Amino acid sequence: GAVVSQHPSWVICKSGTSVKIECRSLDFQATTMFWYRQFPKQSLMLMATSNEGSKATYEQGVEKDKFLINHASLTLSTLTVTSAHPEDSSFYICSSGQYNQPQHFGDGTRLSIL
Amino acid sequence: GQNIDQPTEMTATEGAIVQINCTYQTSGFNGLFWYQQHAGEAPTFLSYNVLDGLEEKGRFSSFLSRSKGYSYLLLKELQMKDSASYLCAVMDSNYQLIWGAGTKLIIKP
Repeated sequence: GAVVSQHPSWVICKSGTSVKIECRSLDFQATTMFWYRQFPKQSLMLMATSNEGSKATYEQGVEKDKFLINHASLTLSTLTVTSAHPEDSSFYICSSGQYNQPQHFGDGTRLSIL
Repeated sequence: GQNIDQPTEMTATEGAIVQINCTYQTSGFNGLFWYQQHAGEAPTFLSYNVLDGLEEKGRFSSFLSRSKGYSYLLLKELQMKDSASYLCAVMDSNYQLIWGAGTKLIIKP
């Protein structure tokens, strides 16, 4: 069964709306979770590393004020896309896993901004 | 810098065998992963190699040579459902995953 749960799986909303995506580890404690974005026919791009109880680490070029990450517990990380615009439309995927173990991915969230 | 190279696209015939290569240059090494990703879906884990040699799992096998910075994923008895992208990823000394761009595998009848 799934070890990482992500929802919602699909979001369609108007430009300017903020959207929250949740990622939960189901049977292990996740001190670290990763957030990726994937545009059509492109590879996964790491956006940020979410660390439980501390600030997230963002990759170069990713706006931390636009993509707010909260990792308040060992089983939950959230990504909030603030004031979303059409160019933010993408496939957002979270993953988590323990050291030296495979990363398990959530099912992804397809975000469409009108 | 850190780098993962794999072919962009490969084509194979149903029932045949295909080998997808991956070469890497990373800061340290804590294992190499192969994932399968169907269009519009999240990646799913296929295999993990941390020691040299071949790991076999059903129709899929993965090989690693750490001295050469090289791995391959071997798919046997190809089925149409194997059409997908195959992602190679290496865990570096900081336990960060470095991802390849993926190999799109097209299976023809």
